[in-house]
Order: sequence, then structure tokens, then C-alpha cells
Amino acid sequence: EPEVTQTPSHQVTQMGQEVILRCVPISNHLYFYWYRQILGQKVEFLVSFYNNEISEKSEIFDDQFSVERPDGSNFTLKIRSTKLEDSAMYFCATQGGLKASSYNEQFFGPGTRLTVL
Amino acid sequence: GIQVEQSPPDLILQEGANSTLRCNFSDSVNNLQWFHQNPWGQLINLFYIPSGTKQNGRLSATTVATERYSLLYISSSQTTDSGVYFCAVISGGYNKLIFGAGTRLAVHP
Repeated sequence: EPEVTQTPSHQVTQMGQEVILRCVPISNHLYFYWYRQILGQKVEFLVSFYNNEISEKSEIFDDQFSVERPDGSNFTLKIRSTKLEDSAMYFCATQGGLKASSYNEQFFGPGTRLTVL
Repeated sequence: GIQVEQSPPDLILQEGANSTLRCNFSDSVNNLQWFHQNPWGQLINLFYIPSGTKQNGRLSATTVATERYSLLYISSSQTTDSGVYFCAVISGGYNKLIFGAGTRLAVHP
């Protein structure tokens, strides 16, 4: 069964450094999302992406964050200058595809655990 | 915005017991999903269920959209069922999932 993949599984970085988190969506899916979960807390929406542009973003998604599909397959989240409070699990999710019964269902990748020191 | 409340926040069971997890939401929804977060942090899709009832093995879910709640039933629980169960909804013209705070389940042998 097709699945969303994410790399790396764990990233450790120094405060102020740039990080890029990568996601490979399920083939044929049209909608892409990033969510994050700070340890012990609920999952929070960051941004949605459709037709090569951001369709919605949360207050968390400030100028330090950006997303893109650099090659039409990967979907990336970049944090320009990481802060301690960016430490969290980051999930990519995708939606859409050819199966009508699951068109609106979002499928999540395994996550990237980001640790900012 | 829409509020999503899950109960109970914590649940401890003996292996073999049954349980019911509840998700209440404050507005009409276009999408409702149940997830299991395993000890490694992965979010596993359990059900996409904006309305009606579905079953998958020992798990089943019911959403009564008109009364704004959903229930997740776990029968004959196993230690591998341990983890956090999240309910998440989409409301209005948006596509973002709004998550509840989760129910933390521990199943002991």
C-alpha cells in the first residue's frame, strides 16, 4: 500500500542553523500539509499546499518557515534560523488521489523529530 | 474556531478489556479521522469517518454528525493497543485537520 515517507527520521541542529525536512507524498495526491507536535502536546497544523502554492498557513508558520516542491515529487519544509522552541516532531500529510472513498482522508508520514540545541 | 474535546484523557486497561473513547466537536464537520500514535511517535490512520459506522477488526467507530460526537470502540484490548488516540476534524471551507488533545491508553498484561 502506498505511503508517505519522510527524511530524515531525526535531525539534531544548533540554534540559528537552517534545516530542511523532506517528504515524498503518495503518488497522485494533490494536497500536501505540514503539522508539528511539541513533545507531550497535541498535533498542530502549520501549512497546506495545493497547485504549487500555499493555500493556508497558521500563526506558527512565520517568515522563518517556507515550503516548496522543488522537483514535482518531494515536498519540503525549510526552517531558516532554528530556535529552541522549534524542537518538535514534524509530520507531512497528503490527501487526494484517485480513490473516491478516501479522497478527503489525510495520510501522515512517520515524522521527523527535530531537536534544536 | 472549532473545538475538539476527547475523553477520557487517560485510560488504563487489563488485556482483554473493552473500552470506548469519545470525541466531541463544537461545529459541523466535513471530515473526521481517528489516529493511533504508537510509542515511536508515528500517527497511524484508524478511520476516516465523517458520519456513520465502520469496523476494522477489533476496532470500530461511530460518528453522529448531527449530535457532534464520535466514538472509538476497542474490543479485547491488547498491549499493542497502548499509545495515544487522537480524533481530528475538518470544519468549514478549510482543509486543515484540528486535533483533540488525545486519550492516552495503557493496556497491561
